[in-house]
Amino acid sequence: EVQLVQSGAEVKKPGESLKISCKGSGYSFTSYWIGWVRQMPGKGLEWMGIIYPGDSDTRYSPSFQGQVTISADKSISTAYLQWSSLKASDTAMYYCARLLDVDTAIVDYWGQGTLVTVSS
Amino acid sequence: NFMLTQPHSVSESPGKTVTISCTRSSGSIASNYVQWYQQRPGSAPTTVIYEDNQRPSGVPDRFSGSIDSSSNSASLTISGLKTEDEADYYCQSYDSSSNWVFGGGTKLTVL
Repeated sequence: EVQLVQSGAEVKKPGESLKISCKGSGYSFTSYWIGWVRQMPGKGLEWMGIIYPGDSDTRYSPSFQGQVTISADKSISTAYLQWSSLKASDTAMYYCARLLDVDTAIVDYWGQGTLVTVSS
Repeated sequence: NFMLTQPHSVSESPGKTVTISCTRSSGSIASNYVQWYQQRPGSAPTTVIYEDNQRPSGVPDRFSGSIDSSSNSASLTISGLKTEDEADYYCQSYDSSSNWVFGGGTKLTVL
């Protein structure tokens, strides 16, 4: 059974760093792109970027380029999303998702989400 | 970049049929696949339609997808509505420059 299991909720202060994770199982982790999607409170879904764990090829949506870093450790089948200096506006739910195809960004499996709260 | 526009909300009674539209602002709706995701309150999204009209295993055949080139839009139709179908629904597509776009979402109320 394919599963994407994300790390737990985080509460951070502005300016702090953070790295959240998404562990894949039940499939060949290096053979599928993983994407990250942001959902701000009460709002819709936004693509942040994607990574191919097989070779760490990474692509960012223009709105998120330079704001976050996406990485992966294929030895432990885990993808990451990290911030070096959080802002209150980073408060959101973050989902990882497995892509069937990189060109179409069709998602077939989603993680359960990680809630990040940034507040002083 | 293009946009996908959805109605903010729709409502219908149990047992009825509802259709949610998704209109593409530029570029042909038929040129790139459209996907639909369901997000129940407090839950992660799940995929209900991919490649315009394909259902993942486990999704009931009450859910169907279509595209209409004349209106440059895609539609998600849910027949035999159940209270469990109450959720937000998002369409998603892309273009040749690998821009991936979600629609703004439609809140379906089953009352």
